[in-house]
Amino acid sequence: QSALTQPASVSGSPGQSITISCSGTSSDVGSYNLVSWYQQYPGKAPKLMIYEGNKRPSGVSNRFSGSRSGNTASLTISGLQAEDEADYFCCSYAGSSTSLFGGGTRLTVL
Amino acid sequence: QVQLVQSGAEVRKPGASVKVSCKSSGYTFSDYGITWVRQAPGQGLQWMGWITVKNGNTNYAQKVQDRVTMTTDTSTTTAYMELRNLRSDDTAVYYCARVQFNRNWLLWFDEWGQGTLVTVSS
Repeated sequence: QSALTQPASVSGSPGQSITISCSGTSSDVGSYNLVSWYQQYPGKAPKLMIYEGNKRPSGVSNRFSGSRSGNTASLTISGLQAEDEADYFCCSYAGSSTSLFGGGTRLTVL
Repeated sequence: QVQLVQSGAEVRKPGASVKVSCKSSGYTFSDYGITWVRQAPGQGLQWMGWITVKNGNTNYAQKVQDRVTMTTDTSTTTAYMELRNLRSDDTAVYYCARVQFNRNWLLWFDEWGQGTLVTVSS
């Protein structure tokens, strides 16, 4: 299985909105609404930000939202803040009791 | 509160084995699964496999399935990941995470350990 495809980097200014895409196939993202998104700061463990495509765990800001269209999932961060600068990874259920991660996207807040 | 605490950093020579532990607390251990994810230096996350604590069922990623074994000890609420025949490209930080699942579908990973650095070097 190949990793899901994410842009290597995105950037935005404080207050703006950005969107990170996560492209898969009809065997993973397109077949299951089970995409999750994780935020990771350097040297730290990942943190769950979005699950089941568009749900937020308790404590995660409502500036984070998720969506899916066909074989592509997206994470949108609105009202960008300096603290949002981190790496973001998508993950999808891929059938047969397996999961698949994206390659990761580094978000830079200008 | 929920915590997953992993064992400390390890250094191994090529061909050796390593066993990383992940001690869980703050929740009912058998109600969830445990997955293992690794991250090579400067690279992305790679899913390695998972174990259903209640019945011990496992499923491994193709890339490591011949060399990895995941187990749990419910008496100590600890999960283990053993990787054998280590190679230099196994050098990575290894994370355990709690799995929310339904039947044998992995849904999401909601709590993570702090990571364990495994270095493979001659």
